[in-house]
Amino acid sequence: GESVGLHLPTLSVQEGDNSIINCAYSNSASDYFIWYKQESGKGPQFIIDIRSNMDKRQGQRVTVLLNKTVKHLSLQIAATQPGDSAVYFCAEMNRPFGGTSYGKLTFGQGTILTVHP
Amino acid sequence: NAGVTQTPKFRVLKTGQSMTLLCAQDMNHEYMYWYRQDPGMGLRLIHYSVGEGTTAKGEVPDGYNVSRLKKQNFLLGLESAAPSQTSVYFCASSYSRIGFSNYGKLFFGSGTQLSVL
Repeated sequence: GESVGLHLPTLSVQEGDNSIINCAYSNSASDYFIWYKQESGKGPQFIIDIRSNMDKRQGQRVTVLLNKTVKHLSLQIAATQPGDSAVYFCAEMNRPFGGTSYGKLTFGQGTILTVHP
Repeated sequence: NAGVTQTPKFRVLKTGQSMTLLCAQDMNHEYMYWYRQDPGMGLRLIHYSVGEGTTAKGEVPDGYNVSRLKKQNFLLGLESAAPSQTSVYFCASSYSRIGFSNYGKLFFGSGTQLSVL
């Protein structure tokens, strides 16, 4: 799985399988978490987010799980498709900076997901 | 609706040369950001802006300057390029904190590949 600050892991799955991408975060003050998808040659694209007062949130074919006790975040992709092949980043947000209400996003280093047809 | 547009897409510089990367967004976003992405690493924040006429330093601001003279534009300047600045640069924008559905959702451009020889 992915951890903010470590090497880039990889995950290979067969088309139709479910994928689970993991992320460990270190800042216990983080109160908001986001998953981004980055396809080759493109900028990251928002997938799903979750606040620290939630354990689970579901989107279309994706589910994010948050375990604050062990500071772990996961992204589950159901019925993975070749178009899901990309680098997936988790990002965490902690206390606001600059006097604004917006917090600083810290990105993890990413997990490469490869889906085989 | 073009979203976030970055120019140029590719550039090669010699050490010591200067250049400006341009970013434009048409979503009327308050916040804009410049990130760099290096192989095997996540996105690192260079500078950001929370509104027209305001800028602030991110994680890795040294060697870069920015300006936000108009709400829709955010410029990143390299005054004297160094090989360590070889990277892919991404511009992003986001809403201010309006509600949970928009909180933390960054819209990214497609990136600028910069090589400094």
